[in-house]
Amino acid sequence: LAKTTQPISMDSYEGQEVNITCSHNNIATNDYITWYQQFPSQGPRFIIQGYKTKVTNEVASLFIPADRKSSTLSLPRVSLSDTAVYYCLVAEGNYGQNFVFGPGTRLSVLP
Amino acid sequence: DTAVSQTPKYLVTQMGNDKSIKCEQNLGHDTMYWYKQDSKKFLKIMFSYNNKELIINETVPNRFSPKSPDKAHLNLHINSLELGDSAVYFCASSQDPYEQFFGPGTRLTVL
Repeated sequence: LAKTTQPISMDSYEGQEVNITCSHNNIATNDYITWYQQFPSQGPRFIIQGYKTKVTNEVASLFIPADRKSSTLSLPRVSLSDTAVYYCLVAEGNYGQNFVFGPGTRLSVLP
Repeated sequence: DTAVSQTPKYLVTQMGNDKSIKCEQNLGHDTMYWYKQDSKKFLKIMFSYNNKELIINETVPNRFSPKSPDKAHLNLHINSLELGDSAVYFCASSQDPYEQFFGPGTRLTVL
């Protein structure tokens, strides 16, 4: 299983763009990169998934360089409600049994 | 409409007891999961269940057993509860192995 490394915590201010980088040096050819968000006392929520290059949805963008050894989750113009833990996962499919959630990055958005 | 629901939300019990947590999803997904989130907030997959195929994380004690009466339900049975079983248990479902939908969690406290 590819191991991921993320910053333990980050602070930001409302309205700023936040970039959270995840390192996954041992990513395998069949692995996809997925990001989840978890608020206190709630289950994780899927944010975005990608294999290579850039993926964008209504919530975030995911940038993946050509070597795929890292990925960056970009949250545009964060608000207080974006305060949460963000998890980077690297796994092959097969019904997610390879999903290993690390400690994640605790993002605190300040007013 | 709740997509993935769990009952109970809180469960407090004595060591040695047997308990069950129920999970239901109304998304029509083919695969369901159980995760355990411990006090350090690490989220670990315990089981995935798809079309009657059960995949078990090898680290899960055999005191834990999932039971699926139908495609929309995956209940978690725990026998002979131990102090170390105290955690938050999340049920999830998915059609795509990467985009999983999590329930609100059940906080289990073993005294």
